[in-house]
Amino acid sequence: GENVEQHPSTLSVQEGDSAVIKCTYSDSASNYFPWYKQELGKRPQLIIDIRSNVGEKKDQRIAVTLNKTAKHFSLHITETQPEDSAVYFCAASEEGNQFYFGTGTSLTVIP
Amino acid sequence: GAVVSQHPSRVICKSGTSVKIECRSLDFQATTMFWYRQFPKQSLMLMATSNEGSKATYEQGVEKDKFLINHASLTLSTLTVTSAHPEDSSFYICSARTQTPVVNYGYTFGSGTRLTVV
Repeated sequence: GENVEQHPSTLSVQEGDSAVIKCTYSDSASNYFPWYKQELGKRPQLIIDIRSNVGEKKDQRIAVTLNKTAKHFSLHITETQPEDSAVYFCAASEEGNQFYFGTGTSLTVIP
Repeated sequence: GAVVSQHPSRVICKSGTSVKIECRSLDFQATTMFWYRQFPKQSLMLMATSNEGSKATYEQGVEKDKFLINHASLTLSTLTVTSAHPEDSSFYICSARTQTPVVNYGYTFGSGTRLTVV
């Protein structure tokens, strides 16, 4: 089955700086890669996703890049704000099927 | 947008009893429901995939007789934790997939259930 690795596990940045979280996956059949933000005790919230037919996608301060050949994808958050502090999970799936989540990154944005 | 209602949000039960968790899709038909569990400060681990009208498919290491999944209708899937033990204490969350990919598939998470077994 799919194996998703995520780094770093914790990340602290100063407000206004950028944050980058990286994930790798193992199954070449995976073609859908969402990123979720989860606050303590709450459901994961989709923040951005990318499909394997594109290499990059951007939504305001958030961007995701995908390298299919190397089987890795990254989340980039620019101009970080304290409200960006949360746990972020990447996931990989073959579209329509179950997600396999990364181990999570606890992001702290220091005011 | 698509909404999945999950109940209860929190439950405390005694060891040895059973607990049922429900996920309902409120404004769409969920032919497929994924069930995850999440231990504190850990990732979401897929437990099983249920398709309406058929038996659930369990991930390796997940006991199907302990975690009973029923998906009898297009809007309701249930997870029953039988003979619960303290090690079953966890955050359980469902995720519904929309019936047909209009453009692409959509996935909607329930709000999660915090189970504590004492």
